[in-house]
Amino acid sequence: AQRVTQPEKLLSVFKGAPVELKCNYSYSGSPELFWYVQYSRQRLQLLLRHISRESIKGFTADLNKGETSFHLKKPFAQEEDSAMYYCALSESGSQGNLIFGKGTKLSVKP
Amino acid sequence: NAGVMQNPRHLVRRRGQEARLRCSPMKGHSHVYWYRQLPEEGLKFMVYLQKENIIDESGMPKERFSAEFPKEGPSILRIQQVVRGDSAAYFCASSPLSVDTEAFFGQGTRLTVV
Repeated sequence: AQRVTQPEKLLSVFKGAPVELKCNYSYSGSPELFWYVQYSRQRLQLLLRHISRESIKGFTADLNKGETSFHLKKPFAQEEDSAMYYCALSESGSQGNLIFGKGTKLSVKP
Repeated sequence: NAGVMQNPRHLVRRRGQEARLRCSPMKGHSHVYWYRQLPEEGLKFMVYLQKENIIDESGMPKERFSAEFPKEGPSILRIQQVVRGDSAAYFCASSPLSVDTEAFFGQGTRLTVV
């Protein structure tokens, strides 16, 4: 069955430290992978998608098909990065029908 | 463009009552998606609708849950005879097309069944 796993419920780092939020997926075809972010009291919003290969707010994520992973990385964390991060998978190319992980809460301490 | 609007933001219902959750998509968006998030869980897809049509309801519970997206007005997620296990956050998202476009999420409705 298709599944997205985010093994860390909470990740706490100090400002300026590198950050890696892990995401592994289980899918037999060629999925599209996304990272969504939800800042405190705000709605869920798209951070980045593997197809675009962009860097948004200093975050990058590389799809590793061999390891079935799509880890989110940032070399130097900022306090404003504190939020919930969700990894998601689309089977159909539709961003509306997504399989989400349980999320990782990132806390960046000063 | 005000974004995807969901109301109410919070809804309390007693067991056995009906819950109606509303979602107004962004202007120009004709595709609507509903998700449910149980405590400590990720969002789970429930249903995908276009105007007046249900496209994919593979995530909807077979009983008590229904969804519609009429020609005029918001999309409605209806839960009949609510039970404690229905307590969750319900999110709606909308997009202008079905593929290759970003889906924008509403702020959610938190349903509490007492």
